[in-house]
Amino acid sequence: DIQMTQSPSSLSASVGDRITITCRASQSISRFLNWYQVKPGNAPKLLIYAASNLQSGVPSRFSGSGSGTDFTLTISSLQPEDFATYYCQQSYNTPLYTFGQGTKLEIK
Amino acid sequence: EVQLVESGGGLVQPGRSLRLSCTGSAFTSGDFGMSWLRQAPGKGLEWLGYIRSKAYGGTTEYAASVKGRFTISRDDSKSIAYLQMDSLKTEDTAVYYCSRDKWTILTGFYFYYMDVWGRGATVTVSS
Repeated sequence: DIQMTQSPSSLSASVGDRITITCRASQSISRFLNWYQVKPGNAPKLLIYAASNLQSGVPSRFSGSGSGTDFTLTISSLQPEDFATYYCQQSYNTPLYTFGQGTKLEIK
Repeated sequence: EVQLVESGGGLVQPGRSLRLSCTGSAFTSGDFGMSWLRQAPGKGLEWLGYIRSKAYGGTTEYAASVKGRFTISRDDSKSIAYLQMDSLKTEDTAVYYCSRDKWTILTGFYFYYMDVWGRGATVTVSS
């Protein structure tokens, strides 16, 4: 199985901050990496697919980069609605998907 | 609006069974593969299984953690995907989600992702 490791597990930041979340795969997965946002009571939301492609309707302050084993999700200027938990997910071994453990983004 | 809605959650005793439904609207669900996932209290997302569209055989794949206990099926005439859960354990307590799998071709490769999710159904396994 491909293991996905995110860091940090939690992060405190303020509105307007720029933040970066890192995701590392246990083997090379090329660019087969997606990012999701999860809020309690809401449907999880796809943010980024194929490492760096912004899903339709997602604000441009979200961006993704990386390939191989190391990936990042960046939010350029945090908005109040961005405080949530973020997950990376590999789709190299489709459909046997695996997720990172999540990064909880909290308001400082 | 493209939407998925899970239903059928609730409280169930250990060892019993439960079936969840995932109803799609505003799209032809039969054209898509569907996944089931869950999030246990205080834990992260866990992929449970997948069913291909009929065009790709309608076959299924499962995570090792639920293989042999959980079964995914679909009724495209009703736009519903099902998750049959048998021999439930207390550790199966979670919010259960369904999702639509989509792919995009980039640089000659198929990139898969889950572009539509439901809000989830809560399953509590307790005596």
